[in-house]
Amino acid sequence: EAQVTQNPRYLITVTGKKLTVTCSQNMNHEYMSWYRQDPGLGLRQIYYSMNVEVTDKGDVPEGYKVSRKEKRNFPLILESPSPNQTSLYFCASSPEAAGRELFFGEGSRLTVL
Amino acid sequence: AQKITQTQPGMFVQEKEAVTLDCTYDTSDPSYGLFWYKQPSSGEMIFLIYQGSYDQQNATEGRYSLNFQKARKSANLVISASQLGDSAMYFCAMSPLRGAGSYQLTFGKGTKLSVIP
Repeated sequence: EAQVTQNPRYLITVTGKKLTVTCSQNMNHEYMSWYRQDPGLGLRQIYYSMNVEVTDKGDVPEGYKVSRKEKRNFPLILESPSPNQTSLYFCASSPEAAGRELFFGEGSRLTVL
Repeated sequence: AQKITQTQPGMFVQEKEAVTLDCTYDTSDPSYGLFWYKQPSSGEMIFLIYQGSYDQQNATEGRYSLNFQKARKSANLVISASQLGDSAMYFCAMSPLRGAGSYQLTFGKGTKLSVIP
């Protein structure tokens, strides 16, 4: 089954404790992206990747890191989480960036205390 | 930079009636794509429909149609014959189709649709 898989789905952590949200897709997609969703703000792009080893900042990259060492994986790293990073996070992929629908993961709900 | 505006935070519609969800956009790019996504209460994001800026006809997908008015910069979603399962959050989004901006999909803040039995 074609899918984008995120882990963990739910996480409660404390300020400053490094964490990684994994994202993996099995559709051989070139393009992958991370979004955060906050009430009243819609979805905002954090980082995206056009291909292996090629990443760039989205609209809200502060406090996040990413890497794309393999085509299928695009982890999101929070080196020192803070309460304002409490959010619902989505990973998405697409065969190409423009003019194509995004395939979303199920979302990861992160709470930073 | 792109901007998407959804002016209706919440809407109600009677079951079996049609409903229009508004979306206006702002961009300086001549070539762009417009998308609508649905987010049910379970949280997943579901792609509904796509319209390219140069497409001559309005896009349709089953009960969903996109009322694209390029001069007005609007891309309203029309849902015909509403069903209870249509109750969800709906997001309008856009991206340029060329250049560096084509890697960035910009979302609106969403409209929460509630279908009344």
